[in-house]
Amino acid sequence: ETGVTQSPTHLIKTRGQQVTLRCSSQSGHNTVSWYQQALGQGPQFIFQYYREEENGRGNFPPRFSGLQFPNYSSELNVNALELDDSALYLCASSSGTGELFFGEGSRLTVL
Amino acid sequence: LAKTTQPISMDSYEGQEVNITCSHNNIATNDYITWYQQFPSQGPRFIIQGYKTKVTNEVASLFIPADRKSSTLSLPRVSLSDTAVYYCLVGGLTGGGNKLTFGTGTQLKVEL
Repeated sequence: ETGVTQSPTHLIKTRGQQVTLRCSSQSGHNTVSWYQQALGQGPQFIFQYYREEENGRGNFPPRFSGLQFPNYSSELNVNALELDDSALYLCASSSGTGELFFGEGSRLTVL
Repeated sequence: LAKTTQPISMDSYEGQEVNITCSHNNIATNDYITWYQQFPSQGPRFIIQGYKTKVTNEVASLFIPADRKSSTLSLPRVSLSDTAVYYCLVGGLTGGGNKLTFGTGTQLKVEL
């Protein structure tokens, strides 16, 4: 079975720009969640998608948005980038057993 | 969401057993306890999960007392490659809305 893959692995943006990060979930997993991890901190929950519907959201502003597709892959979109958005963005998929399978992350740098 | 408290860091030597304790005083009845390991610039990796008493797998053991207000991750005979951050999380297992809260984790450093 294939694991969780994320793209791109690294990217640099400037303030005010928009970014789209992509995630392919592990085969058979219908739930995808996104996390933001700042340097030296634990991952912070952004939101979760279950069968193409958002069903949980953390304390992030509306400029953080997402999608889940019929094949359960997912996108995270961030508009109007700010310097504090610089972080490792992690995608995790699960099948409802409570075990999360994480990708390697996308490292975003905002200048 | 139940909040967890762990030591910020721990040091050990190769071959020793390491026990990392996590406090979760307001754990809910349907919450499970899960531990993850994370290496720098990688996503967290599942280690072990349990609800009560003791759970053991090929890499670790998880001890949960009867009141479930704490748990202890036990790593037998650690090696240099076990140097990582370890996170304790509590949450439900349902497919919808099982957002999990990561704390700052415990930085384990293993030396020769």
